[in-house]
Formats: sequence, structure tokens, C-alpha cells
Amino acid sequence: DGGITQSPKYLFRKEGQNVTLSCEQNLNHDAMYWYRQDPGQGLRLIYYSQIVNDFQKGDIAEGYSVSREKKESFPLTVTSAQKNPTAFYLCASSIGWRSNQETQYFGPGTRLLVL
Amino acid sequence: RKEVEQDPGPFNVPEGATVAFNCTYSNSASQSFFWYRQDCRKEPKLLMSVYSSGNEDGRFTAQLNRASQYISLLIRDSKLSDSATYLCVVSHRVRGSTLGRLYFGRGTQLTVWP
Repeated sequence: DGGITQSPKYLFRKEGQNVTLSCEQNLNHDAMYWYRQDPGQGLRLIYYSQIVNDFQKGDIAEGYSVSREKKESFPLTVTSAQKNPTAFYLCASSIGWRSNQETQYFGPGTRLLVL
Repeated sequence: RKEVEQDPGPFNVPEGATVAFNCTYSNSASQSFFWYRQDCRKEPKLLMSVYSSGNEDGRFTAQLNRASQYISLLIRDSKLSDSATYLCVVSHRVRGSTLGRLYFGRGTQLTVWP
């Protein structure tokens, strides 16, 4: 079954702790993205990656880090520097540079809560 | 100014009603346009792309007015299952990149009641 998976579904973070959210896709997409959604707000872009070993900051990258060592995987680390991490985190992918098709497909999301 | 502005609603309509959502976008260089649907506590899912000539998919009709930088979505014969938040989304190229970035509106909430 092709698609995007995110884990865990729920994640609890203690003060001062770094946590990593997983995102995997088997759609053979080059581009991957991380968004954050707060209640009543639109999606805001944290980081994106056009291709393996490349990634760029989005609009709200402070307090987050990513890696793109494999085409299929784009994990997001929420560091202790992110002072307000409670949110719904969504990973997405798109075909990328090989196509003009810009549609992004989303994983089911991870809800991060601070204890 | 926000990239994409939408009326947040909520819109509460009876089954069978016709409802229209609008949004405006600020960047005239925007190239692609979409409506996504997001159910409560779920991920957004593509409802339909929006083309300059307008396009229809069953009960859903999308229109784009590039001159006014305005996008609309019309839902006819509303069903209970149409209850969701509808996100207006536009795309334009990142400077110095071949990649298009998506910009999301805050969403318009629709509730269809029996």
C-alpha cells in the first residue's frame, strides 16, 4: 500500500527534552515537507527537502532540525529550544523537481504534547 | 498581508443546500491552486485542483479568477459527509528553486445538518 506514514500518533515531551518524529514515504517522491498546525491556524512550513542530503528552512524552523539521508525518510527533531512545541505535526511529500505537479500528499500526523 | 485569506466560517447548512467558499491570494506569481479537505483531527486530503477554465468534480465546482486573485469552491446538494474544514491552497516557486511551495489558508469550517 503506497503512502506516507508518521509515527508515533501521539508524543509527550518533557521540558528540556529533544524528541524525534518519524516520517516515511514509499511513493518514490523526491520532495518532503514538515508542517505545524495550531488550532484555528493554517499550516506553517517548518522545513522542506527537495532531494536526498538537501533541506531548507521554512517559515518557522527555529527550534527544529531535520535530516534527509534516505529518499524515503525525513525525520523531524523538536529540540528543547522550541519553547512552544505543542501542536499537530504533518509530514507531506510531492513528486518534486521531476514534475510540474505540485500536489502534496500528507501523512496522518503526530500530536505533540508537552508534559 | 497573509498569502492566502479565507473566511473561517463556520458555515452551518442543511442537507441538500448549496454552499460557496471563497478565498483570495496575495502573490500574483502563484501558479497552482488547490482545495484540500481536512476532517477533524486528521490530515488534509486533496479535494481538487483548480484550473483557470474552472473545473467540476461531481457536486464540487472550483473557479479561479487570476485577475482578481480569487478562488472559489461551490458544493451542491450538500451531504452530511461534506462536514469538514476546507483549505484553500496556492503554490508558487521558491526563489532559486525548481520546487513549488504551498501556502495554506486557515480553512473554512462547514457543518451540514440533517
